[in-house]
Amino acid sequence: AQKVTQAQTEISVVEKEDVTLDCVYETRDTTYYLFWYKQPPSGELVFLIRRNSFDEQNEISGRYSWNFQKSTSSFNFTITASQVVDSAVYFCALSEGAGSQGNLIFGKGTKLSVKP
Amino acid sequence: EPEVTQTPSHQVTQMGQEVILRCVPISNHLYFYWYRQILGQKVEFLVSFYNNEISEKSEIFDDQFSVERPDGSNFTLKIRSTKLEDSAMYFCASRNRRRTDTQYFGPGTRLTVL
Repeated sequence: AQKVTQAQTEISVVEKEDVTLDCVYETRDTTYYLFWYKQPPSGELVFLIRRNSFDEQNEISGRYSWNFQKSTSSFNFTITASQVVDSAVYFCALSEGAGSQGNLIFGKGTKLSVKP
Repeated sequence: EPEVTQTPSHQVTQMGQEVILRCVPISNHLYFYWYRQILGQKVEFLVSFYNNEISEKSEIFDDQFSVERPDGSNFTLKIRSTKLEDSAMYFCASRNRRRTDTQYFGPGTRLTVL
């Protein structure tokens, strides 16, 4: 069955520290999509990144980077030089491929607190 | 940049009452979704909608729930007889044609059942 596990419930760092949020997924599909969403204290869900199962290239966007490793079924998210505005709950999500309507399966989220 | 909108932002209702949550998806999107998030918990899929019919639903989406696209722009979620445990944030999302496309979420409606 499909499942997304975010083992870290809460992480607290001091500003400018680097932090990595872990995500491990389970799926039987060979084609699937992985996502990260950010939920700031205001409550909305903000899309950060989408990754296809056939593209294992890591990606960097400013201070954000993502490490996708199919061998370990992981899709980890690193924030470099964290800032207070990064404080939020971060959700990893999985969407399966063929035959699916694209509904997202979310992990339980990791609450990141960045202190000044 | 186009975005998904939801109304109201907060709805308070009495147990047993019917509520309708409204969403306006992004205009050229074809797939629509409802998710819910009980306070402090993960986001859970409720239902997906395509071509004017439900395409997939979760166990949570029982007979008390229904969805509708009454016109070309709105997408609604109705809860017929609310229970205390329906209190949650309800998110609408939409995506374009391709399965590879990203789902974009609305800001959510916080439903409080008293």
